[in-house]
Amino acid sequence: SQTIHQWPATLVQPVGSPLSLECTVEGTSNPNLYWYRQAAGRGLQLLFYSVGIGQISSEVPQNLSASRPQDRQFILSSKKLLLSDSGFYLCAWSPDRDPSGNTIYFGEGSWLTVV
Amino acid sequence: KQEVTQIPAALSVPEGENLVLNCSFTDSAIYNLQWFRQDPGKGLTSLLLIQSSQREQTSGRLNASLDKSSGRSTLYIAASQPGDSATYLCAVKPPSGTYKYIFGTGTRLKVLA
Repeated sequence: SQTIHQWPATLVQPVGSPLSLECTVEGTSNPNLYWYRQAAGRGLQLLFYSVGIGQISSEVPQNLSASRPQDRQFILSSKKLLLSDSGFYLCAWSPDRDPSGNTIYFGEGSWLTVV
Repeated sequence: KQEVTQIPAALSVPEGENLVLNCSFTDSAIYNLQWFRQDPGKGLTSLLLIQSSQREQTSGRLNASLDKSSGRSTLYIAASQPGDSATYLCAVKPPSGTYKYIFGTGTRLKVLA
């Protein structure tokens, strides 16, 4: 069966510090990968998605970047965090070809507090 | 641009009640619609997925319906229990060839014992 792992679960970082959140998927190949952010009281905002190694699409211009160095690894990064980067970050994946209609699966999320 | 709305934002009901959560979307050209549950501080768990050609899906006490022409979906929860307390989100997937899922802001449900 497929599983998705996301870490760290919780992170408190000072303004101006770097960020690295990592996500890996097991039990499948060539998944579509996503990074979402969920701010308090708001819906999920799609930040990045990737359909293959090295292929990254950015949805919202901001202080963050994403990379996909391996087929099932997706990394969210920042060189200098801002207070507004605080939030709940969710990694997700969907099968490249899904006979059940492109279900999307989520990791457990990473809480980021920038202080 | 597709927009997804969920009303109400919060709902509190006594245990045992049947309830309906609503999801509206502005563009009827969707590939599928999915309902999720999110417990506080956790990721999203998929509950039901309805293909654009389907009218409803059922899983246990949950029933989701889809009316594409009117841009609406409902999630019906029968005989609610305190363990159903969570935030429920719906998401639409645009037609094949695009990879973005567009989420509503969710309905926060509290079932009182």
